[in-house]
Amino acid sequence: DAGVTQSPTHLIKTRGQQVTLRCSPKSGHDTVSWYQQALGQGPQFIFQYYEEEERQRGNFPDRFSGHQFPNYSSELNVNALLLGDSALYLCASSLGLQGALTYEQYFGPGTRLTVT
Amino acid sequence: GDSVTQMEGPVTLSEEAFLTINCTYTATGYPSLFWYVQYPGEGLQLLLKATKADDKGSNKGFEATYRKETTSFHLEKGSVQVSDSAVYFCALGSGAGSYQLTFGKGTKLSVIP
Repeated sequence: DAGVTQSPTHLIKTRGQQVTLRCSPKSGHDTVSWYQQALGQGPQFIFQYYEEEERQRGNFPDRFSGHQFPNYSSELNVNALLLGDSALYLCASSLGLQGALTYEQYFGPGTRLTVT
Repeated sequence: GDSVTQMEGPVTLSEEAFLTINCTYTATGYPSLFWYVQYPGEGLQLLLKATKADDKGSNKGFEATYRKETTSFHLEKGSVQVSDSAVYFCALGSGAGSYQLTFGKGTKLSVIP
């Protein structure tokens, strides 16, 4: 049973550039959430996608956007990168409304983004 | 808004010592409470959860009890092992139409032989 996978593992970008991170949910899951984990901090919720739409958004600027595909995989895009965007980006998947209401989220290993 | 406060780390213990990591929360309504563990270089793994007051979550020798009166969810283990060395995160899901998890800052545990 494949768990949540994310790519790439590591990424180095320059200020002002744009980046796309990818996530494949756990087999059978249809909901994807994205979190940002700065060094030494807990994860912060960015947004959640369900049925290819953004269902809920955290306190992040519009530079952060996402997409969910018909196969439930998801992308996180960040435009105009800032040094402060350097973090571990975690993807979590869950199943449907029941999974969302019970917060049964399964996390991937993350993508480490470094902005120089 | 919702928030989670964990005891500051790092915590260093000898093998077989007793572990307590304190966690308190602020939330409207009746949140669900979680402990996640993050091993070096890995993502988060759900360790245990409790969904209502007085529930006790347990897994792999770890326990935590949902205390509504003190708004706490302290993590305990009677005898830690070197393999328990990791960062532990307390988190809540507030319900009421919110799908996000709110995390504490994490507590790094190091267990020495």
